[in-house]
Amino acid sequence: GENVEQHPSTLSVQEGDSAVIKCTYSDSASNYFPWYKQELGKRPQLIIDIRSNVGEKKDQRIAVTLNKTAKHFSLHITETQPEDSAVYFCAATWGAQKLVFGQGTRLTINP
Amino acid sequence: DAGVIQSPRHEVTEMGQEVTLRCKPISGHNSLFWYRQTMMRGLELLIYFNNNVPIDDSGMPEDRFSAKMPNASFSTLKIQPSEPRDSAVYFCASNLDSSKNIQYFGAGTRLSVL
Repeated sequence: GENVEQHPSTLSVQEGDSAVIKCTYSDSASNYFPWYKQELGKRPQLIIDIRSNVGEKKDQRIAVTLNKTAKHFSLHITETQPEDSAVYFCAATWGAQKLVFGQGTRLTINP
Repeated sequence: DAGVIQSPRHEVTEMGQEVTLRCKPISGHNSLFWYRQTMMRGLELLIYFNNNVPIDDSGMPEDRFSAKMPNASFSTLKIQPSEPRDSAVYFCASNLDSSKNIQYFGAGTRLSVL
C-alpha cells in the first residue's frame, strides 16, 4: 500500500525565516497531495493542496512543490510568524479516495 | 455551514464499556471518513463510506470496532468492549464526492478508556 514519509519530525526556526517540510510517497498512482495544519487540541485543517498535473502552487506565504518523478513534495513557508507554530501533516491519495498521512512535523517559530 | 460535527467532544469510560462516537458530515457531502490519531501511530484511516455505503474498512483494528451510516447526515463509530489501548482522538471527515479528495475534519472526540 501507500507509504508517506515526512521529514523532519521537529523543526524550529526564527521568526521571519523560512521553513521547509518534505514528504516522499511510494504509490506512483497518487495524484492529490494536501497539507494540513493542526494546532494543539484542534482539528487538522487544509492549508494548501496540489494535484499531480501541477508542479508548484502558491498561496501568500505558503507554497507546495511536487516532483512526480522523484515522488516527493514539499511545503515552504516564508516569513514565518508565531501563529505558524503547529503540527503539519502531508498526505497522498491511495486508490480513489483514501488519504495516507505522514507522521507530522512539529514546527516551532521562535520570536 | 457548521462544518463536520462530532459528539461527544470528550469521553471517559471504563474498560469493557461500550463507546459510541457520532458524526454529522457537511450537508451535501457524499463521503465520510473515520480516523484515529495517536502519538505512536499518527493519523490512521479506519473506514470510509460513499453514499452511506462502507467502501473500505481495512483500517478497523479488530472486531470490537464497528461503524454505520444509516443516512447521509449521520454516522456512528462503536467500540464494544472498549480497552485502554483504544484511548485516542477520533476524527470524522467528509468530502464532497470521490473526485474532489478534499477532506474537512470535525473537531474530534478525545476518548480515554481507564
